[in-house]
Amino acid sequence: DAGITQSPRHKVTETGTPVTLRCHQTENHRYMYWYRQDPGHGLRLIHYSYGVKDTDKGEVSDGYSVSRSKTEDFLLTLESATSSQTSVYFCASTGLQASGELFFGEGSRLTVL
Amino acid sequence: TQLLEQSPQFLSIQEGENLTVYCNSSSVFSSLQWYRQEPGEGPVLLVTVVTGGEVKKLKRLTFQFGDARKDSSLHITAAQPGDTGLYLCAGADAGNMLTFGGGTRLMVKP
Repeated sequence: DAGITQSPRHKVTETGTPVTLRCHQTENHRYMYWYRQDPGHGLRLIHYSYGVKDTDKGEVSDGYSVSRSKTEDFLLTLESATSSQTSVYFCASTGLQASGELFFGEGSRLTVL
Repeated sequence: TQLLEQSPQFLSIQEGENLTVYCNSSSVFSSLQWYRQEPGEGPVLLVTVVTGGEVKKLKRLTFQFGDARKDSSLHITAAQPGDTGLYLCAGADAGNMLTFGGGTRLMVKP
């Protein structure tokens, strides 16, 4: 299994506060992704990266930003958290091509009160 | 964004029963993946199908890609409690981006 770790695993925060979720992979994978998972919606892509400092928006990117300063790290930031951003967030990576097998982290459960 | 619809959304069956999960779209995919996710964990890849009409078997699980590469099915024979989980299909478009279906939550009761 690819070594992908997410932190924090659980976070409770208040509306309007900034939140940063971290994803770290040890497989030297080129592509990294942030998804959110909500009941009935499967996994929805927030942002993705195809290399250091190369990122692009997914289908639900509003209210989120990302940064990738190193191959192994991909950060997801909520500048001002809202209750609609309460969700479970998954980071994933793949090395071969963007449509290759995704290796997922264990998820970060975020609750915005 | 290409839409993938999975059905049923929920399925509760007894151990030993057979079941089929469907993944449908009006769009053509270059490949389709199936993942299984257990509570508190991330999804794990089960299989990738690439060719229209392709059938792949993984022990008691049979995966099929539709001839037109717009749909796929997952059939489980003699389900066991260990098969319990969330099953997700994901299709790759021409730009190699994956779109996930909404998932099928399966519970197999002993």
